[in-house]
Amino acid sequence: GAGVSQTPSNKVTEKGKYVELRCDPISGHTALYWYRQSLGQGPEFLIYFQGTGAADDSGLPNDRFFAVRPEGSVSTLKIQRTERGDSAVYLCASSPRPGEIQYFGAGTRLSVL
Amino acid sequence: EDKVVQSPLSLVVHEGDTVTLNCSYEVTNFRSLLWYKQEKKAPTFLFMLTSSGIEKKSGRLSSILDKKELSSILNITATQTGDSAIYLCAVIGGNQFYFGTGTSLTVIP
Repeated sequence: GAGVSQTPSNKVTEKGKYVELRCDPISGHTALYWYRQSLGQGPEFLIYFQGTGAADDSGLPNDRFFAVRPEGSVSTLKIQRTERGDSAVYLCASSPRPGEIQYFGAGTRLSVL
Repeated sequence: EDKVVQSPLSLVVHEGDTVTLNCSYEVTNFRSLLWYKQEKKAPTFLFMLTSSGIEKKSGRLSSILDKKELSSILNITATQTGDSAIYLCAVIGGNQFYFGTGTSLTVIP
């Protein structure tokens, strides 16, 4: 695609529910990154994929967070048993290869009530 | 611990002013430093700097890297209201991106 696409743009859920956030990277980009951004903060790294595998998941805050990229393109970030503290904008970025310029999607604003 | 620090945290200027934003870093396996502009949600790429002392320029924006001082500046001349945004500095260490907290710039007409 022309750019990184994230859906939904906004998600409101209740505490304890499960959510999935989707990222469709730029075609041909092998590296895909997930970040979380809270108000007044820079993006906080969560996980990055090289192809289908998670090359670095050290930023995932706990085991309620999980991400997959089964075919090396679209990725899904999954959050179980959501908590109010999970409320943030979740940004996805892709780059042709790891360590190169990242191009960002518009993000998903998650609100946990 | 790898870190990227930006200053000032926020800045309010009048149209036509010139601003300088700062970014300093301590990142192992440094590869490059990038500047992004963030309006609303998606950061958009501005510059990528790899070598010291070489200025990158795009219109009214310019940036330079000082690897000896582990820092970079982003200059915006003749500011316009459309320059209002958060400016993010990111450093690539290995294959990891480290972001600063950003500088929030507001340009008043």
